[in-house]
Order: sequence, then structure tokens, then C-alpha cells
Amino acid sequence: DTGVSQNPRHKITKRGQNVTFRCDPISEHNRLYWYRQTLGQGPEFLTYFQNEAQLEKSRLLSDRFSAERPKGSFSTLEIQRTEQGDSAMYLCASSITGATGELFFGEGSRLTVL
Amino acid sequence: KQEVTQIPAALSVPEGENLVLNCSFTDSAIYNLQWFRQDPGKGLTSLLLIQSSQREQTSGRLNASLDKSSGRSTLYIAASQPGDSATYLCAVDTGTASKLTFGTGTRLQVTL
Repeated sequence: DTGVSQNPRHKITKRGQNVTFRCDPISEHNRLYWYRQTLGQGPEFLTYFQNEAQLEKSRLLSDRFSAERPKGSFSTLEIQRTEQGDSAMYLCASSITGATGELFFGEGSRLTVL
Repeated sequence: KQEVTQIPAALSVPEGENLVLNCSFTDSAIYNLQWFRQDPGKGLTSLLLIQSSQREQTSGRLNASLDKSSGRSTLYIAASQPGDSATYLCAVDTGTASKLTFGTGTRLQVTL
């Protein structure tokens, strides 16, 4: 069990560019979550998947953001036309339906938009 | 809307002290509550999870309690060590597919 894996760990980009983050959950976990954390704040929910279905999206997830989870395995979070306000840590977590509800987080992907 | 508050925002204690971190939440209809640790620039490490039907959970030097009716949880750390220095986050699950609502954390520094 290698835990939740996220790549890249750090991304620096210029405003207006597109970026994509990848998350590989714990292998038997069918639920996958994306959160965003800005400096000094707690993580905020963005979206979650159960298997390959995206079941909920936060209002924080503007139309420049898109997340996918093909085949119910890894997930990608793409941000188009990045803005400086998108600078944050993007955290992925996974869990199993019907278990305790405990979420296991990855190390995060830090985005800096110049 | 669920709101989670953590007090204090920052805490500095000498090594060896016992300490208590506080978490309060506005909606008592929760499924569970989790405490996490976050080191600077890192992800979250799950410390303890308390189900809504439980009163407390213990893991090593850590003990978390839950009083759902009053909307409060505490994380007790015994015999603190410099390695305990980190930000501690409290999060509540309202049962909607484990979608957590987080507090802003307590930044703990344990000094030699």
C-alpha cells in the first residue's frame, strides 16, 4: 500500500496557462476527493468521485476547472487559463464507501501562478 | 451551513507539557470527526477518527474526545515533543459522502 500519490508536487506557471494535476488513490478505494487549501486556511472541498462518476462539485469549482476519473482509477484535475487566485495547494484524498468514512490524503500539489 | 472553529490559532509550549487543542462546530448532526496533522508544505496525516456514536479515541500519546450535543471536540497531547510541532486540523463529516468541513487549524510549536 503506497498511499495516495499526487503529481507533480510543485508547479509554477504563468497566468493564462493550463495545468493538470494527477492523483492515484489507494488501490481499493472507490471514492476520490479533491480539496484546495490556501495559506493559513483549512482545506476546502472541490469535488468527489465514486468510481468513475463525478457526484458533486463545489461552487468553488469554476468552469475553468475540470476533473475526471476515467475507469474509476486515477483522477486528473485541470485548470484552464490559470489566474493568480488559483495559487494554492491542491489535495487529493480517497476512501471506501461503507467503511468508517476516514479520508486518506496525499502530499498535495502546490500551484504557483505568476 | 457547517462551520468549524479551532482555538487557539497558535500555541507554543515547552517540551514535556500536556496540552489541549479545541475544535467547535455549529451543526451537531455529524457522521464523524477527524483530527489531522499537517507539516509545513505537506499533505494531511490522519491522527484519529471519532464516530458520532463514540465519546473518545486514543492513539499513543493522543486522545480525542467528542461531545456532539455541545458541538465540541478536544485533542489532548500528552508529554509533548519537538516532533509534535505541526498544524493540527479538525474536520467534521456531515455524512454526505465523507465531504469534510475543516477548521483553520492550530499551529503548535514544542520548544526544547
